[in-house]
Amino acid sequence: LAKTTQPISMDSYEGQEVNITCSHNNIATNDYITWYQQFPSQGPRFIIQGYKTKVTNEVASLFIPADRKSSTLSLPRVSLSDTAVYYCLVGPPGAGSYQLTFGKGTKLSVIP
Amino acid sequence: KAGVTQTPRYLIKTRGQQVTLSCSPISGHRSVSWYQQTPGQGLQFLFEYFSETQRNKGNFPGRFSGRQFSNSRSEMNVSTLELGDSALYLCASSPTGDFYEQYFGPGTRLTVT
Repeated sequence: LAKTTQPISMDSYEGQEVNITCSHNNIATNDYITWYQQFPSQGPRFIIQGYKTKVTNEVASLFIPADRKSSTLSLPRVSLSDTAVYYCLVGPPGAGSYQLTFGKGTKLSVIP
Repeated sequence: KAGVTQTPRYLIKTRGQQVTLSCSPISGHRSVSWYQQTPGQGLQFLFEYFSETQRNKGNFPGRFSGRQFSNSRSEMNVSTLELGDSALYLCASSPTGDFYEQYFGPGTRLTVT
C-alpha cells in the first residue's frame, strides 16, 4: 500500500465537525483511499472508501481533490463516542490482507 | 449476521508456555487473517487462510502458526512465548481477502509475564 501521512492526534469539542487530512503523494492511478476506525480495546472497523471527489455515508464524508494526493475524512457533529484512532490506507482493490498495516493513525479525542 | 468472534478475550501466560487463540469468522467468509497489534509496531500481518489453505504469511518467526478448519473457523498458536509477544491479536474475516474488506473481531489481549 502507498505511504500515507496523517496527524498523530487531534482534539475536538462535542458537536463540532472534525476534519482529518491524510497525505498520499505517491498514490497510484488504480488506488482507492480507505479509512478505518478503531475504538480502544476493539478491532478496527471500515468506515468509508473513495476514489475521487466526495463520498458520504451514514458515518462520515470523504473529500478527495482532483490530484488525489491528499484526502480529508470529515466527521459531522462529533460526540464522545467518536473518540477513537482513525487510519488512512491507500491501495488498489485487489491488494490482499497481507498488505494491511496500520501505523499510528490519528487519535481523535472528543472533549465534553 | 453475527460478527467475528474471538476467544478468549484476555489471556495471561508465562514465558515459555504456549497459547492457542480461536476465531470464528462471519458466516460465508472464506478468508481469515490474523494480525498482531502493539503500541510500538502498530498492526502487523501474521498470516491469512483461505479455504483451509495458508495463502500468505507475514514476517514472524516459526513459533507463530495457524490453521483453518472446514467451517472456516481458525486458530493461531504461539509456542515458547516471549515477553515481546504481549499484544492484541486480531482476527479478521473477509469474503475475498481484499485489504479494504476486512471485518475485525474484538481481539485477544495476550499478556506474557
